[in-house]
Amino acid sequence: AQTIHQWPVAEIKAVGSPLSLGCTIKGKSSPNLYWYWQATGGTLQQLFYSITVGQVESVVQLNLSASRPKDDQFILSTEKLLLSHSGFYLCAWSLRGANERLFFGHGTKLSVL
Amino acid sequence: GDSVTQTEGLVTLTEGLPVMLNCTYQTAYSTFLFWYVQHLNEAPKLLLKSSTDNKRTEHQGFHATLHKSSSSFHLQKSSAQLSDSALYYCALTSGGNYKPTFGKGTSLVVHP
Repeated sequence: AQTIHQWPVAEIKAVGSPLSLGCTIKGKSSPNLYWYWQATGGTLQQLFYSITVGQVESVVQLNLSASRPKDDQFILSTEKLLLSHSGFYLCAWSLRGANERLFFGHGTKLSVL
Repeated sequence: GDSVTQTEGLVTLTEGLPVMLNCTYQTAYSTFLFWYVQHLNEAPKLLLKSSTDNKRTEHQGFHATLHKSSSSFHLQKSSAQLSDSALYYCALTSGGNYKPTFGKGTSLVVHP
C-alpha cells in the first residue's frame, strides 16, 4: 500500500530563519508530487508540483523553493522565513493521468514568530 | 486555462436540512471533477469523483452529478449532520494539465 509521510508535524520558527519541510511517498513509483499551503482559516493554494525527479514547476512561489532530489521525495524550503509563511503545508501525490485523485499527507503546521 | 468556481464561501445550515454546495468549471479539455473534504486540523480527503456525463456519484450520504451541458458538479446531501461541518473543495483535472485546479472552497457549518 502507498504511504505518504510528511515531516516535521509542526514547527515553530523565528522570522529570518531557514526552513526545510519534507515529504516521502512509499509504494508508488514516479508519482506526481505537489506542495500546497493554507493560511490559518484560509483556502488551499498550490505552490509547486513535480512530475519527475529534478523537475519542479512553480505555481505561486511565496519566497519558497522546492526540489525533488529522489523519485519518492519532495522538499520545500526557504533561507529566510517571513511572518506570512505561517500556516499549514500539505504534500500530496497522484498517479499520472487526467482522472487521478490526490492523496494528501497529514501536513506540517508552521508558526513563524 | 482551467478554472473552478465555488460561489459560496460560507454556508450555514441547521442540522437535518438539505445541503447543496455549488461548483462550476471551465476547461477546454476532457475533465474529471472531484470533491474533497477537510475537517478542522486535518488534511483534505477525497469525498467524490465524477463519473460519466449525467451520472450520479455517491459516497457517505453525499452525491453529485457531472453535467457537462452546464459545466457543473454540485455537491448535495439530503440531510445535514453536525459532523458534516468542514471545508469542501471542488477540483478538476483535465487532459490538458498536469496539475489539478481547485476552487476556493466552501466552509459548511451545521448547527443544532
